[in-house]
Amino acid sequence: AQSVTQPDARVTVSEGASLQLRCKYSSSVTPYLFWYVQYPRQGLQLLLKYYSGDPVVQGVNGFEAEFSKSNSSFHLRKASVHWSDSAVYFCAVSANAYKVIFGKGTHLHVLP
Amino acid sequence: NAGVIQTPRHKVTGKGQEATLWCEPISGHSAVFWYRQTIVQGLEFLTYFRNQAPIDDSGMPKERFSAQMPNQSHSTLKIQSTQPQDSAVYLCASSATGGAYAEQFFGPGTRLTVL
Repeated sequence: AQSVTQPDARVTVSEGASLQLRCKYSSSVTPYLFWYVQYPRQGLQLLLKYYSGDPVVQGVNGFEAEFSKSNSSFHLRKASVHWSDSAVYFCAVSANAYKVIFGKGTHLHVLP
Repeated sequence: NAGVIQTPRHKVTGKGQEATLWCEPISGHSAVFWYRQTIVQGLEFLTYFRNQAPIDDSGMPKERFSAQMPNQSHSTLKIQSTQPQDSAVYLCASSATGGAYAEQFFGPGTRLTVL
């Protein structure tokens, strides 16, 4: 069985600061890993995904994530956040044919 | 492409009433997923259709929840005898193939409030 833990329910940063949102996963096999973002009153949108290759994967809007097999982690980063990045970010894992397990999300609040 | 469409956006029901939620997936997508989102539980998988066929309903509360996909252009989630604990945002997603690595495209959700 797979699981995802996002240890930080809420993160507040100032505009222009760097960002890291943490994600730890558990899976008996090498999983597919995802980061999705949910803006207010909208559905989730894919930021990036990873399965193999370079452990640093680039996504949309300047986001990137780094996979670490030894730490079972897939942390999301951004060098300089903008107020419009305020949203809920979900880490997700999939290790079977179709089912994706989502973490509980991290609420990001960017102070202008 | 209008994306995944969900109607209604908001629904308020009284305890014991029925609620039917609609989802129109992206044209050409073969997979449809339903999720329930609450603050306490987060995103919970409910059910999955592939090429209109029900594949996995392991997340569905058995007694009052049912889902159908009568054609490739829409799916419904029906909740009978709604209870206050059913209050949540119900999200529908579609993907081109349904595979584990396929991007899921989400609708805006239907916020169900049971009084």
